[in-house]
Amino acid sequence: KAGVTQTPRYLIKTRGQQVTLSCSPISGHRSVSWYQQTPGQGLQFLFEYFSETQRNKGNFPGRFSGRQFSNSRSEMNVSTLELGDSALYLCASSLGDRGGYNEQFFGPGTRLTVL
Amino acid sequence: AQKVTQAQTEISVVEKEDVTLDCVYETRDTTYYLFWYKQPPSGELVFLIRRNSFDEQNEISGRYSWNFQKSTSSFNFTITASQVVDSAVYFCALRGQGGSEKLVFGKGTKLTVNP
Repeated sequence: KAGVTQTPRYLIKTRGQQVTLSCSPISGHRSVSWYQQTPGQGLQFLFEYFSETQRNKGNFPGRFSGRQFSNSRSEMNVSTLELGDSALYLCASSLGDRGGYNEQFFGPGTRLTVL
Repeated sequence: AQKVTQAQTEISVVEKEDVTLDCVYETRDTTYYLFWYKQPPSGELVFLIRRNSFDEQNEISGRYSWNFQKSTSSFNFTITASQVVDSAVYFCALRGQGGSEKLVFGKGTKLTVNP
């Protein structure tokens, strides 16, 4: 079974631009979560989508948004990029239907650098 | 609010030593789930184990063992006879009740196993 895939793996943008990251979950998984990892703040939850609906959202500004498609693939978008948005963005998928007991499987991440 | 504390920022051991990684958590939920993940230099988070709040049975799996104690809100992880390949950052994570897959991560402990 293929794992979680994320594209692109590396991205360099300049301040003010916008970016879209993509995540394909494991086949059969309906929940996709996004996390931001930085040296200073560690791993922080951005949002979770389950069956095309946002089920939970972290404490990030509105510049960060996401969506999920009917095939469970998900995208996240960051508009008006700031230097502080430079981070590793990790996507995780899970079945999402066992009341919290599911393990999440993580993709390799997208390394975003904002210049 | 939920919180996970990993007090050990970095640990360095010599191969074949035993090493214990500490994790203390805070939550007001009566049902919750605890996880350990490993992040090797490649960057992808690898799931190791999960425990729910009703299961305090400790487990040994090969060279890994876990000690879950609700009385002290701790979920410690031990590697016996460490190997160089165990070198990675280890994260403890907490998921509360409510149906979302959101994980709250500790800051991580960087383990270096020297030959």
